Amino acid sequence: DAMVIQNPRYQVTQFGKPVTLSCSQTLNHNVMYWYQQKSSQAPKLLFHYYDKDFNNEADTPDNFQSRRPNTSFCFLDIRSPGLGDAAMYLCATSTRLAGTDTQYFGPGTRLTVL
Amino acid sequence: AQSVTQLDSQVPVFEEAPVELRCNYSSSVSVYLFWYVQYPNQGLQLLLKYLSGSTLVKGINGFEAEFNKSQTSFHLRKPSVHISDTAEYFCAVYAGNMLTFGGGTRLMVKP
Repeated sequence: DAMVIQNPRYQVTQFGKPVTLSCSQTLNHNVMYWYQQKSSQAPKLLFHYYDKDFNNEADTPDNFQSRRPNTSFCFLDIRSPGLGDAAMYLCATSTRLAGTDTQYFGPGTRLTVL
Repeated sequence: AQSVTQLDSQVPVFEEAPVELRCNYSSSVSVYLFWYVQYPNQGLQLLLKYLSGSTLVKGINGFEAEFNKSQTSFHLRKPSVHISDTAEYFCAVYAGNMLTFGGGTRLMVKP
């Protein structure tokens, strides 16, 4: 089945220790997104790739970076995690056609910062 | 810019009762509308979407929603809920290359 995969599902890191979350897709979609979702809140868009073009949201902290080495994979790097970065991180993909954009989400990675 | 308001943060309902989760939006341009469901410690799953055509949209798990342009609403309904429908539900609007989520409604189905 075509899908969006996120690894790991649960990640524990220490304050200030860099961490990388990964996302892969078999949908062959050209757009990939990273969202941050804190408890009892809606997902918040961090950035997205339209093909190889990187688009950063204005209020995304510099501590968050992303890489997309090919169509199938996208990584979220948190350079120096703080306690406030503990959250669920969601990857989504889509293919923009005729002005619309249906996003399909992965299962998420829950990040704990000790 | 668009915005989405989900009027109820929590909706408790008994099993086999009908339910309506309300969603209102504002936008200066044409929109596409979505409902997603999120189970605990899971990602968002697409329930249904309105892109064009019939204003009554049927989705998975017996849910349906009706697009009302004059009232700028896209309420989600199910005639008979199950315990397994307990989850967080998010309404979202797509316009101007941006997907905007509402704050979510927690549906709590009681036996």
